[in-house]
Amino acid sequence: GEQVEQLPSILRVQEGSSASINCSYEDSASNYFPWYKQEPGENPKLIIDIRSNMERKQIQELIVLLDKKAKRFSLHITDTQPGDSAMYFCAAASNTNKVVFGTGTRLQVLP
Amino acid sequence: GPKVLQIPSHQIIDMGQMVTLNCDPVSNHLYFYWYKQILGQQMEFLVNFYNGKVMEKSKLFKDQFSVERPDGSYFTLKIQPTALEDSAVYFCASSLGWGGGAETLYFGSGTRLTVL
Repeated sequence: GEQVEQLPSILRVQEGSSASINCSYEDSASNYFPWYKQEPGENPKLIIDIRSNMERKQIQELIVLLDKKAKRFSLHITDTQPGDSAMYFCAAASNTNKVVFGTGTRLQVLP
Repeated sequence: GPKVLQIPSHQIIDMGQMVTLNCDPVSNHLYFYWYKQILGQQMEFLVNFYNGKVMEKSKLFKDQFSVERPDGSYFTLKIQPTALEDSAVYFCASSLGWGGGAETLYFGSGTRLTVL
């Protein structure tokens, strides 16, 4: 009951359009949902997170949505730029602080 | 921002040998983690560690794996003996705490382990 599914695995979008990545989790005790961006050869870096007491959070062009009933959460990047091209990982964690990552999405923003 | 240091960045060893990966977590952090990533794939949880003890470990954390943080120094991952399938990038992470915004994981730059 700890899997985090993430789709799509590869996402290509035109510069200026929006990109959406969807994740689902199994553990109903999960209450913390971070998103990490990983550039090639680099470490993952937190870009935005949401906790179970919220349904929506926005930081600049990043929007995360959380549907606890459906056990789904998503990341939306509006007005994508070439610098947004990277691997993106969703993750889910409960109070045991075991952070389980999704399978990753390779985002390519095409000029 | 807070930095987690990992040394070495790359280690090459022969199958069957022992290897120790070192992590210098953020100084005031209390929770420590190891993740394994095969090139371009998922970050897979290995273990988390708090107050001198393993809290949780995954099925990937085989009997050949061990972690410790003696005297608050480096947080280490030891693999003895190594196997070919242990080749991967190992990321260390630390967090200040858990809850109330303290649970953000800060990752090191990784150690690429190559087992020949």
